Amino acid sequence: GAVVSQHPSRVICKSGTSVKIECRSLDFQATTMFWYRQFPKKSLMLMATSNEGSKATYEQGVEKDKFLINHASLTLSTLTVTSAHPEDSSFYICSASSSGNTQYFGPGTRLTVL
Amino acid sequence: QKEVEQNSGPLSVPEGAIASLNCTYSDRGSQSFFWYRQYSGKSPELIMSIYSNGDKEDGRFTAQLNKASQYVSLLIRDSQPSDSATYLCAVGLMEYGNKLVFGAGTILRVKS
Repeated sequence: GAVVSQHPSRVICKSGTSVKIECRSLDFQATTMFWYRQFPKKSLMLMATSNEGSKATYEQGVEKDKFLINHASLTLSTLTVTSAHPEDSSFYICSASSSGNTQYFGPGTRLTVL
Repeated sequence: QKEVEQNSGPLSVPEGAIASLNCTYSDRGSQSFFWYRQYSGKSPELIMSIYSNGDKEDGRFTAQLNKASQYVSLLIRDSQPSDSATYLCAVGLMEYGNKLVFGAGTILRVKS
């Protein structure tokens, strides 16, 4: 149980384009989903917290207009990186939580912006 | 500032030995504690959660929590080369809702 999927697993895009990443909880309803970013050999950095049907709460320093988060259902959240630039290249990981605060992570999406 | 501290390592242990990973946290109000394993290039994977003082065992893994001393540890018995990974300690606070505060992780290397 507690399986979280992410799609795509890897994406390469040109600078200036937008990229959408999907996060799905496959066998449970996720009241809260989280989006993290991780640079090589660095720790997880929480970007935002989203609750189903509500606006996402962004961490300090994360541009909400650049990283658009939608949590339209209890099983799906999306992160859109708008006007991507090379410095946005990173490993993006979502996690999902139902009751309590145990988080189950998706497999991650590796974004490369050329 | 809520902090979770871990020794970055690497912690090297021979195959078959017990690996001991430690984590301290700053907020006495912390209520839930988690250990995640992260292989290089992969996302974190939940190993164990613990909420009460004492030990909690699951297979080769034992989590230990001491709220008075504000530390949580993870013991891995009969360590295997496949246990080589980064181990992340995470702490939850009621005031944070479902958010967790993660430590930077300890690199474990099990040598065969």
